[in-house]
Amino acid sequence: DAGITQSPRHKVTETGTPVTLRCHQTENHRYMYWYRQDPGHGLRLIHYSYGVKDTDKGEVSDGYSVSRSKTEDFLLTLESATSSQTSVYFCAISESAGGNTEAFFGQGTRLTVV
Amino acid sequence: GNSVTQMEGPVTLSEEAFLTINCTYTATGYPSLFWYVQYPGEGLQLLLKATKADDKGSNKGFEATYRKETTSFHLEKGSVQVSDSAVYFCALSEGGFQKLVFGTGTRLLVSP
Repeated sequence: DAGITQSPRHKVTETGTPVTLRCHQTENHRYMYWYRQDPGHGLRLIHYSYGVKDTDKGEVSDGYSVSRSKTEDFLLTLESATSSQTSVYFCAISESAGGNTEAFFGQGTRLTVV
Repeated sequence: GNSVTQMEGPVTLSEEAFLTINCTYTATGYPSLFWYVQYPGEGLQLLLKATKADDKGSNKGFEATYRKETTSFHLEKGSVQVSDSAVYFCALSEGGFQKLVFGTGTRLLVSP
């Protein structure tokens, strides 16, 4: 299994509070991604990173920010959590940017905003 | 934009039955196509992939053929097992940071 650890695995938070999810990899892969999984939508890309301090927005980036200060860590922050951000969040990594490159996924973080 | 459409689930089968999960896509270029599987409580794992037209991806008895003329990548298995019960996602990527576009997923339930 690819060495990807997401933390926390489960979190319940209140509306309006900041939340940070962490993705840690031991594979030294350059590319990292944050997806959210919702019923009826599959997985949708939030943000991605193509190197240390290099990040860009995905399809559903509103309300989220990311940071990558080290190759192995990619942080997702909800500045002020809303109920619409209740979801399962997956981190993924890939070795290259090529379209046929396999992406490896973490086990997910279930976030509930009450 | 790019999109992937999968058949609605759940798909309920008895063990040893034949499986087909339909997947069609819309893309502006020539994407690579993937099937990912998600077992309960876990992240997604790559099941198989195909990178160009007429390619067949296969793994663990599952197969899918990249059909450009019908823009399809249907997943098939000749004889399913209880352990195949999972959610299956069809996805495409046109490259550029491996940005995957996923279908909504199809849940497969296999009973003994």
